[in-house]
Amino acid sequence: GENVEQHPSTLSVQEGDSAVIKCTYSDSASNYFPWYKQELGKRPQLIIDIRSNVGEKKDQRIAVTLNKTAKHFSLHITETQPEDSAVYFCAAPQALSMNTGFQKLVFGTGTRLLVSP
Amino acid sequence: KAGVTQTPRYLIKTRGQQVTLSCSPISGHRSVSWYQQTPGQGLQFLFEYFSETQRNKGNFPGRFSGRQFSNSRSEMNVSTLELGDSALYLCASSPGTGREQFFGPGTRLTVL
Repeated sequence: GENVEQHPSTLSVQEGDSAVIKCTYSDSASNYFPWYKQELGKRPQLIIDIRSNVGEKKDQRIAVTLNKTAKHFSLHITETQPEDSAVYFCAAPQALSMNTGFQKLVFGTGTRLLVSP
Repeated sequence: KAGVTQTPRYLIKTRGQQVTLSCSPISGHRSVSWYQQTPGQGLQFLFEYFSETQRNKGNFPGRFSGRQFSNSRSEMNVSTLELGDSALYLCASSPGTGREQFFGPGTRLTVL
């Protein structure tokens, strides 16, 4: 069945600290793992993604790691800033049918990150 | 490329009415998904359309329906509105199956 679990649901850090958000997925065929950031009153925006042929990807202060054996992936934000405060969603594709090859993107329940100055 | 657009951006309706929301995907994207987001809640999947066919449906009552046109534009309809339907409705377009999704700004629906 489809299942993407995301933890923690809320995370409070001091400016300059690191933040880590973790997600687990169930479909072993999943091969693409995006992360979205949704600021208050705005649309979710893709911030980084990783494909299953790599274990880590970095983009300035954010990085994503993937452990396919354990079926989990994580978002790491270093040197957090107040503007990092937002809700973060992870996602993973889930096969709709073994025959069609179609997949749908299943989202985690979100993590509310609060960075205090 | 222009991003995903949704109209209208804000809508106020009363219980029992029906509403139609519209979504125009990024040019070339054939997949459009719809989500409901209530305050403090995550993204509740409504349905996905691909090449005018509903490919997947979430756990919402039959009052929620949708369609997709040959130009990939999609509409979502909610009939017999209830107070609990008040939410932000987001659509997202994607170039293909299981690929990255790009969200529109959403339509904020208020049911009085």
